[in-house]
Amino acid sequence: SQTIHQWPATLVQPVGSPLSLECTVEGTSNPNLYWYRQAAGRGLQLLFYSVGIGQISSEVPQNLSASRPQDRQFILSSKKLLLSDSGFYLCASYLGPWGTGELFFGEGSRLTVL
Amino acid sequence: DQQVKQNSPSLSVQEGRISILNCDYTNSMFDYFLWYKKYPAEGPTFLISISSIKDKNEDGRFTVFLNKSAKHLSLHIVPSQPGDSAVYFCAASRIQGAQKLVFGQGTRLTINP
Repeated sequence: SQTIHQWPATLVQPVGSPLSLECTVEGTSNPNLYWYRQAAGRGLQLLFYSVGIGQISSEVPQNLSASRPQDRQFILSSKKLLLSDSGFYLCASYLGPWGTGELFFGEGSRLTVL
Repeated sequence: DQQVKQNSPSLSVQEGRISILNCDYTNSMFDYFLWYKKYPAEGPTFLISISSIKDKNEDGRFTVFLNKSAKHLSLHIVPSQPGDSAVYFCAASRIQGAQKLVFGQGTRLTINP
């Protein structure tokens, strides 16, 4: 079965500081990986997705970036955090089979920017 | 542009009765629809899905209905149980492509004993 590890689980950072959230996936190979964010009182917004190592697609212009240095590792970063970056960040993996499966989510990382 | 909308931010239902959560979408290219359940401080968990070639899919107490002409889907939970209290998200995607799910805003369901 598939497992997604996200860390840190909780993070409080000052405005202007850097950010690194990590996600690793176990139990599968060559997954599609996704970063979603849930802002307060809002739904889940897709930020980035990756279909393979080094392949990143950005869904919305923002202060964040993503990288996929290894097959089962997905990293969300920022050089300078903004207040609006606060939220609950979720890493997800596509379970397949192709076209008929669903996304499997990790436990999330809560970021508060002060 | 909110392509998937859940217009009811909250719903309160008596235990044992039916819970009906609604979702509307605007993009006619969507052909696969899912419902997720989310507890606070946890990731969403998959509940049930339906493809556009069907109009109903049932799994135990959960049934999803799809009305393509109205671009509307609903989730029925019967009978409702206290453990069903959570935020429910509907999501839509295209079967072809990178499986990018577009989520609604969520509906907070509270089951009262």
